[in-house]
Amino acid sequence: SSELTQDPAVSVALGQTVRITCQGDSLRSYYASWYQQKPGQAPVLVIYGKNNRPSGIPDRFSGSSSGNTASLTITGAQAEDEADYYCNSRDSSGNLWVFGGGTKLTVL
Amino acid sequence: QVQLQESGPGLVKPSGTLSLTCAVSGGSISSSNWWSWVRQPPGKGLEWIGEIYHSGSTNYNPSLKSRVTISVDKSKNQFSLKLSSVTAADTAVYYCARDSEDDSSGMDVWGQGTTVTVSS
Repeated sequence: SSELTQDPAVSVALGQTVRITCQGDSLRSYYASWYQQKPGQAPVLVIYGKNNRPSGIPDRFSGSSSGNTASLTITGAQAEDEADYYCNSRDSSGNLWVFGGGTKLTVL
Repeated sequence: QVQLQESGPGLVKPSGTLSLTCAVSGGSISSSNWWSWVRQPPGKGLEWIGEIYHSGSTNYNPSLKSRVTISVDKSKNQFSLKLSSVTAADTAVYYCARDSEDDSSGMDVWGQGTTVTVSS
């Protein structure tokens, strides 16, 4: 399968922990990468590989994976974390990229 | 650090060809990275279009493959996208991005994006 499935919307209270999930067959072979996108801005890579953060990404962002499901966890969500989050990975062939449909995170 | 900048016409007529260029600065397009194009229709999610390596090898999204050509110009340190037979459904923000060096850890550098509208 070349699809990645995400919940369309998730909400979290300020300072609480939230998990955003991504499901797909390709995740059994490849790690998911996660992107944060704020309105009018380009996506920003926040998690890649097993659980790696690019320079400048706060350590409250973490990633995990089990079977066909990858998760992005924000521990102690901040107001500035309100954004759309996308997962992506190589497809099962390893030659193509696929994106999830995105999850809109609301911080209450 | 590496920066990417998209350029090209913001308005394309239906049935025409969309042409965009991504200029790479602060690094070489001949590095050990693939280079991708990604688009985002208004209010919708991200869609990968295709990618190219400096050797000229390409991979394309099967849903767009018949209409897409991605090329590289090493002398100008840039790569380009052509999408033919466009319709209103091709209206989107188009991003260029650098694939991570290990080729499976996502896209670590993105351009700011350029809006392309398909309309007569």
